[in-house]
Amino acid sequence: DAGITQSPRHKVTETGTPVTLRCHQTENHRYMYWYRQDPGHGLRLIHYSYGVKDTDKGEVSDGYSVSRSKTEDFLLTLESATSSQTSVYFCAISESSTRAYEQYFGPGTRLTVT
Amino acid sequence: QKEVEQDPGPLSVPEGAIVSLNCTYSNSAFQYFMWYRQYSRKGPELLMYTYSSGNKEDGRFTAQVDKSSKYISLFIRDSQPSDSATYLCAMRKSSGGSYIPTFGRGTSLIVHP
Repeated sequence: DAGITQSPRHKVTETGTPVTLRCHQTENHRYMYWYRQDPGHGLRLIHYSYGVKDTDKGEVSDGYSVSRSKTEDFLLTLESATSSQTSVYFCAISESSTRAYEQYFGPGTRLTVT
Repeated sequence: QKEVEQDPGPLSVPEGAIVSLNCTYSNSAFQYFMWYRQYSRKGPELLMYTYSSGNKEDGRFTAQVDKSSKYISLFIRDSQPSDSATYLCAMRKSSGGSYIPTFGRGTSLIVHP
């Protein structure tokens, strides 16, 4: 298995509170991605990173921010959580952009916003 | 219309059956076609990928791409209960823009003994 961990694995939080999810990889891959997975929508890209301090928005980036200060860590922050952000969040990595057909996923974080 | 369409199922088959999972797409620029398997409460794992048209075989799994019809398939021979999972197709361009894959919604497969 690719060395990807996510923390926390489960979280319940209240509307309006900030939440930070962490993705950690031991593969030294340059590209890291945050997705959310919801019934009926499949996997949707939130943000991705193509290097330390280099990030870009995905399809559903509103209400989310990211940071990458080290190659191995990619943080996703919900600045003020809303119930619509209740979802399962997956981190993924790939060696390069051209090898984005080989993405490796973490175990996921199940987030509930009450 | 979504760029990638995939019937969510569920698809229920008896053990030993040949399973056919399919996706259609609208963007003719897609060149890489991937299949991921996702067990319940786990992250997706890459099963196989193909480039452009044709078939690719890996054990009991065969991926097939028909670019003229914009249609891809994953066949599973001699299906086992352990194959019960959600199967997601994904695809991406080879050049000229974003390399980020576009995913289908996934098809839930149940193989019963």
